[in-house]
Amino acid sequence: RKEVEQDPGPFNVPEGATVAFNCTYSNSASQSFFWYRQDCRKEPKLLMSVYSSGNEDGRFTAQLNRASQYISLLIRDSKLSDSATYLCVVNMWDTGRRALTFGSGTRLQVQP
Amino acid sequence: DVKVTQSSRYLVKRTGEKVFLECVQDMDHENMFWYRQDPGLGLRLIYFSYDVKMKEKGDIPEGYSVSREKKERFSLILESASTNQTSMYLCAIGGGDQPQHFGDGTRLSIL
Repeated sequence: RKEVEQDPGPFNVPEGATVAFNCTYSNSASQSFFWYRQDCRKEPKLLMSVYSSGNEDGRFTAQLNRASQYISLLIRDSKLSDSATYLCVVNMWDTGRRALTFGSGTRLQVQP
Repeated sequence: DVKVTQSSRYLVKRTGEKVFLECVQDMDHENMFWYRQDPGLGLRLIYFSYDVKMKEKGDIPEGYSVSREKKERFSLILESASTNQTSMYLCAIGGGDQPQHFGDGTRLSIL
């Protein structure tokens, strides 16, 4: 089983749509969670951290469900510029691993 | 703003060459990482360092070595480049319970 699993997509949605991605993680002791965005042929960039109580940043909402070990990202009012790959990222600090563990990403294509 | 600088955006080398990829940070962070990213395989950790002269193997260290002589600089070395090392290489800092920040990446082609 992969440590962080995501649906690779692609998710093809029209502009203005609401879209949600889920991600599951295997390590129940994980403490830190993030969503990154990666544009084609560019480096991953931090989109937002994910907090236990859920958090919002403009059109983006992140949720954490520890009991079921998944995190989600909701994008409202999708823009063409939201087209990218979204990476779910988890820490595995209890294993002594300092590097974060990245999912393989979910590709989003927003269409006009 | 976090600055992680990789020495080259694009690099073309020949099979058997020794290749050096350099990464410099301005955040005085202890942790530095080297990844490679290939289509369909996601990000894979090659090596990381948590202090000067300290290094640990990641998930795919074979064919690579690293050097960290100064805190701000972390080098990835391909001892004898092979075509299966053609990839996008990404340096990052941070980690632990904090986000990681990446450099722009180096697209390396081995001919």
